[in-house]
Amino acid sequence: DQQVKQNSPSLSVQEGRISILNCDYTNSMFDYFLWYKKYPAEGPTFLISISSIKDKNEDGRFTVFLNKSAKHLSLHIVPSQPGDSAVYFCAASVRGSQGNLIFGKGTKLSVKP
Amino acid sequence: ETGVTQTPRHLVMGMTNKKSLKCEQHLGHNAMYWYKQSAKKPLELMFVYSLEERVENNSVPSRFSPECPNSSHLFLHLHTLQPEDSALYLCASSQDTGHRIETQYFGPGTRLLVL
Repeated sequence: DQQVKQNSPSLSVQEGRISILNCDYTNSMFDYFLWYKKYPAEGPTFLISISSIKDKNEDGRFTVFLNKSAKHLSLHIVPSQPGDSAVYFCAASVRGSQGNLIFGKGTKLSVKP
Repeated sequence: ETGVTQTPRHLVMGMTNKKSLKCEQHLGHNAMYWYKQSAKKPLELMFVYSLEERVENNSVPSRFSPECPNSSHLFLHLHTLQPEDSALYLCASSQDTGHRIETQYFGPGTRLLVL
């Protein structure tokens, strides 16, 4: 059974609007969460992370929100730009697990001009 | 070269072939990883090396054999693969795997097709 779930395989947003990508997890031991972005023919690139002791982390246009009680996190991109079009992966880890990141299947974001 | 590089980028092999995938990181990291991404599946961790010692092996079949000669290089030796092993193989590195959770940096991947 998947421990990290991204239930929306795709999302389409108009340029300038907000993109909200969602991720749910089942393992309450996860204490660190990351978002990666992947363009075609490239490897995933790290975008933003959040520790379980926080509920929000912001970096420029990107904000990650964590709701531990709901075991849910989301990535907000404001404003969305066409260059943000990519596949976004949510990943989770447990401290001391020797770098074992558990990934979701990804959500393909398309930002239309 | 900067970051994490992987060669070859594409590979087609028969089930009786032996081939190797190569990964090199130029970030001064101590930990390296192999991941597999099959179609419509999440990335799956295969192997973790920290300071050239294997620390994690997620029950990967023995037809996949990793080698880490030093902290900058990682190989994945392939032999007698099956068609279901066709996937994107990604290498990653991080500063370490210790008690801190380190961000992992990925290479571009090798797209493998087993006929």
